[in-house]
Amino acid sequence: AQRVTQPEKLLSVFKGAPVELKCNYSYSGSPELFWYVQYSRQRLQLLLRHISRESIKGFTADLNKGETSFHLKKPFAQEEDSAMYYCALKGANNLFFGTGTRLTVIP
Amino acid sequence: GAGVSQSPSNKVTEKGKDVELRCDPISGHTALYWYRQSLGQGLEFLIYFQGNSAPDKSGLPSDRFSAERTGGSVSTLTIQRTQQEDSAVYLCASSSVAGEVGEQFFGPGTRLTVL
Repeated sequence: AQRVTQPEKLLSVFKGAPVELKCNYSYSGSPELFWYVQYSRQRLQLLLRHISRESIKGFTADLNKGETSFHLKKPFAQEEDSAMYYCALKGANNLFFGTGTRLTVIP
Repeated sequence: GAGVSQSPSNKVTEKGKDVELRCDPISGHTALYWYRQSLGQGLEFLIYFQGNSAPDKSGLPSDRFSAERTGGSVSTLTIQRTQQEDSAVYLCASSSVAGEVGEQFFGPGTRLTVL
């Protein structure tokens, strides 16, 4: 069965510190993974997808099939990164979302 | 252009009443999704529409839930005989190309409270 696990509900880091938001998945096929973000009073929006191998707002995420992980990383956190982050796995007709991690960047 | 819109933004109802939630997708988007987010939970898939194909209703939690999409555009999610456990934020999303399930554009959500 498809499943996405985000073990941390809350994560606080100081501005300028590295940040890593963890995501693990279970999927029997070839996975496609995404990170979505919701800033305060804004809509949920796509941040990045693993197939693009891109860096968005300084964030990167690498798919590790051996560890079934897709952790989101940024070397130097900024205050504007404070938001709710959701990891998502593509299914046939929908996305399977994790429960989300609320990131707070402390000035 | 305008993004996905949902109405109402908030709905308070009494247990046992029926409610209708509306979603206007981005113009030209063929795929439309409904999700539910209960307190402390991730987004739970409810239903998927793609063009004129039969919808994927596999996520609907009970037969009290139904949805339709008229003319390939606006969608209405109906919950009959609401229960307190139906209280949640209901999110609608759309995507532009058949199979482009990964890039979904979300609406602001409807917060449903069942008293």
